Order: sequence, then structure tokens, then C-alpha cells
Amino acid sequence: GAGVSQSPRYKVAKRGQDVALRCDPISGHVSLFWYQQALGQGPEFLTYFQNEAQLDKSGLPSDRFFAERPEGSVSTLKIQRTQQEDSAVYLCASSLRRGTGELFFGEGSRLTVL
Amino acid sequence: QKEVEQDPGPLSVPEGAIVSLNCTYSNSAFQYFMWYRQYSRKGPELLMYTYSSGNKEDGRFTAQVDKSSKYISLFIRDSQPSDSATYLCAMRNDYKLSFGAGTTVTVRA
Repeated sequence: GAGVSQSPRYKVAKRGQDVALRCDPISGHVSLFWYQQALGQGPEFLTYFQNEAQLDKSGLPSDRFFAERPEGSVSTLKIQRTQQEDSAVYLCASSLRRGTGELFFGEGSRLTVL
Repeated sequence: QKEVEQDPGPLSVPEGAIVSLNCTYSNSAFQYFMWYRQYSRKGPELLMYTYSSGNKEDGRFTAQVDKSSKYISLFIRDSQPSDSATYLCAMRNDYKLSFGAGTTVTVRA
């Protein structure tokens, strides 16, 4: 596709459920990022991949959050035992170069935890 | 205190007015300064990207960076209703972006 694609666009989960959010970056993009955007706030960094290597996961809020990019293209952000405070928009972004250059964002996956 | 501070507004202006947005920051390590536009239920899209102090102009948009004061600005001239969106400032040190909270702008026709 022409841009970064995220699915699902909307997800409602009951507290305690596990969720998986998918990101298809722009083809050939080396760098992939996940950001979390709470209502009325700017995006906050979660994690960074360079190809299949997760180089930085310092922004993941807890050990319930896990991200992977096993083949260096598609990435999945998994949240286990969801809590209400996990409700947010999860944005994926990709960049052609290693760690620099323009970031192209997807439209996000809006997670609501009831 | 957050690394990047941005007045969330909201800001409402008539069509044709100049929109003035700004952010302050505390981390001297920031090297790159950006403005993103985010429409409702969409992802952020890059508007302006600057590296050094000074002004950068692109059409109706002007970005200013003052590293000595740790202050950046975005001006939108001849604002249009289609400019109604949330504007996010962002700053980068290495690969990680730090965003402001965003200012919601409405341009009234």
C-alpha cells in the first residue's frame, strides 16, 4: 500500500482481555515505531525497531506490553490483561532510514478498555 | 514538568487570519524541530521540519526556532477552514520524538 496501514482501527476490550494491534509499514522502510496517544495529549514513544531488531523498548508502560517485528516488515503490539488506563490511540510510524528521516504515521488503532 | 510544553488552546480564528502557535522545551539535546498536523481520527502528518535556529518558510507556513530561548513557533498566514486541525510540535534527539500536547485550531468561514 501507499501508506502505513494499521488494524483494527477500533477495538473495544473488556478489562483483562488480551489484544493485538497490527502495523503494516511502508514497503522497504527500515525503521518502525509505536507511539501511544491518550485523549487530548501528544503521542508518547513506546518502542523502536530497526528491521527485525527491537533497539529500544524503554517507553513500554509495563511488562504487559510486548511488540515484535519478526521478519522486519509487519509489526504487532500486544497488550496482555488490558486495564482501563490502556485506553488510547496506538500509532505506528515508519521511516525509510535507520532512526532518522521523516516519519510516516498510520491512522492509529483506537483501543477502549471497558 | 514535561520536556515539551504546548498550550492546548483551543484556538478559534476567522478565515484569513494569521494563526500563531508555539512550544517551549527544556532538553538542550533536541536537534530537530518539527510541526505535525493531525486531523480528527487521523495520524499526524509532517508539516515543517527544521534543524537550526532561524526561520523556514513553506507557502503559507513559517516555522521559527530559537534555540537560545528553547522556543519554537509556527505561523499560518491567510488561514483557511481546511487548516482546522490539531497542531503538534515535536522535537527529536537521535531517533526518538517528543511531542507537545497539541493545539486545536478552528478556522471559521
